[in-house]
Amino acid sequence: AQSVTQPDIHITVSEGASLELRCNYSYGATPYLFWYVQSPGQGLQLLLKYFSGDTLVQGIKGFEAEFKRSQSSFNLRKPSVHWSDAAEYFCAVGASGNEKLTFGTGTRLTIIP
Amino acid sequence: EAGVAQSPRYKIIEKRQSVAFWCNPISGHATLYWYQQILGQGPKLLIQFQNNGVVDDSQLPKDRFSAERLKGVDSTLKIQPAKLEDSAVYLCASSLDRGNEAFFGQGTRLTVV
Repeated sequence: AQSVTQPDIHITVSEGASLELRCNYSYGATPYLFWYVQSPGQGLQLLLKYFSGDTLVQGIKGFEAEFKRSQSSFNLRKPSVHWSDAAEYFCAVGASGNEKLTFGTGTRLTIIP
Repeated sequence: EAGVAQSPRYKIIEKRQSVAFWCNPISGHATLYWYQQILGQGPKLLIQFQNNGVVDDSQLPKDRFSAERLKGVDSTLKIQPAKLEDSAVYLCASSLDRGNEAFFGQGTRLTVV
């Protein structure tokens, strides 16, 4: 069965500092991997996805993620965070595209001035 | 382009009562998903429709939950009777077709007391 682990429940970062959110997955075949962001009271918004090809994926809002098969990881990064990045971030793995998505428990990001 | 619309935004009911949620997907989207997001957890897929047919309902508690998508457009999710553990945010999402990016609504927050 597929699963996703986000080991950090809550991360606090200073505005302008770099960010890395960790995600480890378990899946038998080549996974479809996603990062979503959820602002308070809002639905989920897709930041980026990895299906195949280049292991460094660029997304919206200046985010990127790197797929590392040997480490079963898909960590999300941003070189310089903005106060508007404060939100909950979810990593997900899918069996086929957007289907049968299994989400991690999320990482809440707090930005301090 | 209008997004995924859900109503109501909030609902409080007593246990053993029934409740229904409504979702209007983005126009032209063939695939519709219902997710349950319990506080502190990632979303969990309850049911996936392709047009008006069910693709996956393996995680839907069928003894109390039901969903339909008549005419392949709007969808309703019903819980009858509700239990305390059903307290969660219910998210609806739609995609143009299977494998395409899913767009999420703002969700319905259900509190069962």
